[in-house]
Amino acid sequence: NAGVMQNPRHLVRRRGQEARLRCSPMKGHSHVYWYRQLPEEGLKFMVYLQKENIIDESGMPKERFSAEFPKEGPSILRIQQVVRGDSAAYFCASSPGRYTGELFFGEGSRLTVL
Amino acid sequence: GQQLNQSPQSMFIQEGEDVSMNCTSSSIFNTWLWYKQDPGEGPVLLIALYKAGELTSNGRLTAQFGITRKDSFLNISASIPSDVGIYFCAGQRNDMRFGAGTRLTVKP
Repeated sequence: NAGVMQNPRHLVRRRGQEARLRCSPMKGHSHVYWYRQLPEEGLKFMVYLQKENIIDESGMPKERFSAEFPKEGPSILRIQQVVRGDSAAYFCASSPGRYTGELFFGEGSRLTVL
Repeated sequence: GQQLNQSPQSMFIQEGEDVSMNCTSSSIFNTWLWYKQDPGEGPVLLIALYKAGELTSNGRLTAQFGITRKDSFLNISASIPSDVGIYFCAGQRNDMRFGAGTRLTVKP
């Protein structure tokens, strides 16, 4: 499968635990974007990364949330000390260049915080 | 930030009817895109528009890039049950922002 791969598809955490969401971009894509979607809402931009660099994190909460895209391996969105309000679908998208035309989306990771 | 106003929020139509939805913004965009999201899936690109005034079709879908570069519309002709889903507009300039979506229900 050459598309954007996200895992896990579903993740359940208790309040206070950590959630790690992984995203492998399409082959040849070095730009990764994370979006959050609350139930019945649209896609909210969180962070844009290029290999080893955070380019724009203006949409990411200042506390508990972090993202990385290492030289080797997938991009990771990390949420520490999760709260019920973090329950959402988290989508990763990739592109070959900076916002060049289409962003290709993964199928999302659905986080449920109990 | 760049705010996209997408309308309508939801539509309930009969199979065979035409559908029209639009997005407006106070900001200028260089590219307008329309995505569709099926339940439990990620958004998939339907149409991309790169020039002001551009009118593009993809099967039963037609979209236009507004001449002011601040708006776009998407039309679906002769709707079918599999058109059900959420349709998002997206405007791209220095980044990409999404509208809140139009939720389409098609009754057979």
